[in-house]
Amino acid sequence: QVQLQESGPGLVKASGTLSLTCTVSGGSMTYYYWSWIRQSPGKGLEWIGSIYYSGTTNYNPSLKGRVTMSVDTSNNQFSLKLSSVTAADTAVYYCAKLQTVVARPSWFDPWGQGTLVTVSS
Amino acid sequence: SYELTQPASVSVSPGQTASITCSGDELGTKYTFWYQQRPGQSPVVVIYQDNMRPSGIPERFSGSISGNTATLTISGTQAVDEADYYCQAWDSSTGVFGGGTKLTVL
Repeated sequence: QVQLQESGPGLVKASGTLSLTCTVSGGSMTYYYWSWIRQSPGKGLEWIGSIYYSGTTNYNPSLKGRVTMSVDTSNNQFSLKLSSVTAADTAVYYCAKLQTVVARPSWFDPWGQGTLVTVSS
Repeated sequence: SYELTQPASVSVSPGQTASITCSGDELGTKYTFWYQQRPGQSPVVVIYQDNMRPSGIPERFSGSISGNTATLTISGTQAVDEADYYCQAWDSSTGVFGGGTKLTVL
């Protein structure tokens, strides 16, 4: 079964760019959507965006153009870049597979274990 | 922006039924999904498409929708069900989560 694992720096300086990679194992990335979701300490979940295996993206408008996602199917990975970070971007970042029904985005399953990224001043 | 509203907390006695609601504009026209997040763990889907239960999720978990309110019901609640629960839907291609409900089994 598909498993996901996030990787990347756990500490990013304010105003810098947060960069994370998600490695997919146990299955192909082809014909599927892949997503990033974050959770601020003690807070709820926030969808960051999703990317199709072909590279088509869909981002949360609330992140105001700071998000870029990319996919590398040859290495079974997809990535997240979040620019101009502030303390408000400190969170656990999860990658997840986005299930679709009749080509419509649906639920997230499975999820990676998550990685904490702290933005320092 | 679209919002999903959940109660911050729900308490239930072991063996009783817990109900967690999720409300949003025109939610009845969208599918609602429910996730369980135990402390220190990643979320796991427990209900998809309003009332469908994934394989491996106990039968005591069920979902329903009435008007613009979705409900996650846990029958015969067990101590192991103590967790945070989140509802989720899509609005104009944007994924939206509710604020989460902490279920306490006392």
